Amino acid sequence: QVHLVESGGGLVKPGGSLRLSCAASGFTFTDHYMSWIRQTPGKGLEWLSYITGSTTYTHFADSVRGRFTVSRDNSENSLYLQMDRLTAEDTGVYYCARMDYSNSYFDYWGQGTLVTVSS
Amino acid sequence: QSALTQPRSVSGSPGQSVTISCTGTTSDVADSKYVSWYQDHPGKAPKLIIFGVSKRPSGVPDRFSGSKSGNTASLTISGLQAEDEADYYCCSYAGTYVFGTGTKVTVL
Repeated sequence: QVHLVESGGGLVKPGGSLRLSCAASGFTFTDHYMSWIRQTPGKGLEWLSYITGSTTYTHFADSVRGRFTVSRDNSENSLYLQMDRLTAEDTGVYYCARMDYSNSYFDYWGQGTLVTVSS
Repeated sequence: QSALTQPRSVSGSPGQSVTISCTGTTSDVADSKYVSWYQDHPGKAPKLIIFGVSKRPSGVPDRFSGSKSGNTASLTISGLQAEDEADYYCCSYAGTYVFGTGTKVTVL
């Protein structure tokens, strides 16, 4: 049974940084691209980034490119999102999701972790 | 890229059918074969219910169906049940992944 559990959310000041984690289980982690998606009050659901199974390639939405970094540790079945230079607009629930890249959909999601950027 | 447009809310009585529209541009929706739909119950992980415009993952009831015409994709829930009360989001891939604004389905 596929299971994704995000952690690392919390309260951070504007300009600060936060690192989110996603623990995956129930499937062969290296076989799948993984994504980060967020839900914010202002923009609703927004895809942020994906990383290939082999970690060779990453891709970002324009809104976070240069501020966010995605990585994964296949030995630990874990996905990470390093978020820097955070602003209030980054406040929201952050989800990790398994991808079917060939068919461009997200077949399993975690329950999300809340990030609040506020002074 | 702007979000796809969905109605803010739709409602229906148990057993009725409801349809949620998802409207984008020609490049967002009309030219994409990668439209998916997600069901989001508060506090739970969003769930894939339609991919590839009209395909259902195994385990998703056949009362959920998807279609597309021009710039608008649609999700129809037939035989509405109480557990279908949730938020629903469309998503299309056309160079990047764009989500809809979300629709709250209320079962009266």
